[in-house]
Amino acid sequence: NAGVTQTPKFRVLKTGQSMTLLCAQDMNHEYMYWYRQDPGMGLRLIHYSVGEGTTAKGEVPDGYNVSRLKKQNFLLGLESAAPSQTSVYFCASSTRSIARQETQYFGPGTRLLVL
Amino acid sequence: GQSLEQPSEVTAVEGAIVQINCTYQTSGFYGLSWYQQHDGGAPTFLSYNALDGLEETGRFSSFLSRSDSYGYLLLQELQMKDSASYFCAVRDRAAGNKLTFGGGTRVLVKP
Repeated sequence: NAGVTQTPKFRVLKTGQSMTLLCAQDMNHEYMYWYRQDPGMGLRLIHYSVGEGTTAKGEVPDGYNVSRLKKQNFLLGLESAAPSQTSVYFCASSTRSIARQETQYFGPGTRLLVL
Repeated sequence: GQSLEQPSEVTAVEGAIVQINCTYQTSGFYGLSWYQQHDGGAPTFLSYNALDGLEETGRFSSFLSRSDSYGYLLLQELQMKDSASYFCAVRDRAAGNKLTFGGGTRVLVKP
């Protein structure tokens, strides 16, 4: 099992450019998440999905869009990149136990620099 | 909304014990989780407490007091490899069952 994978690992964009970050998981998890982490900060939820074909906004959704066409993939899009979107982006997936415990499994991250 | 508070940084020597406190405010608490993140790495799950008390997993233990909205992560017999950031996180119904993370505590272990 590869777990959660993310592509690309690193990207440099110019202001106004667009790009898509891909997250894939092979654990058959129902839930998937996109977070951003700024230097010295915690994780902030951008968007999430509770199942194939569903998405919802998190804490900081502005400037991002997502799609979950297949259960194993969760895409994060930046339509017009801004320097404020320079960050490390983590994807995570999870499934919930009867005890409501939710362990999230994180991908290695995508480091994005917007100039 | 939800809010979590934890110290920003802790420094200790190898072999010592470190306690990282986390206080939270939620309106439909399910449980408290802890994650570890090494520099440049991804967060990895450490522990979960839904009920009051202490959960022990090797050198790491996690404690929860629901009545005090408080928990802690205890790192014993510190090793250099424990130098990392540690995040507490809560799930609650008011946030649609999503995880909300604290700002993280950076632990620096010195020889």
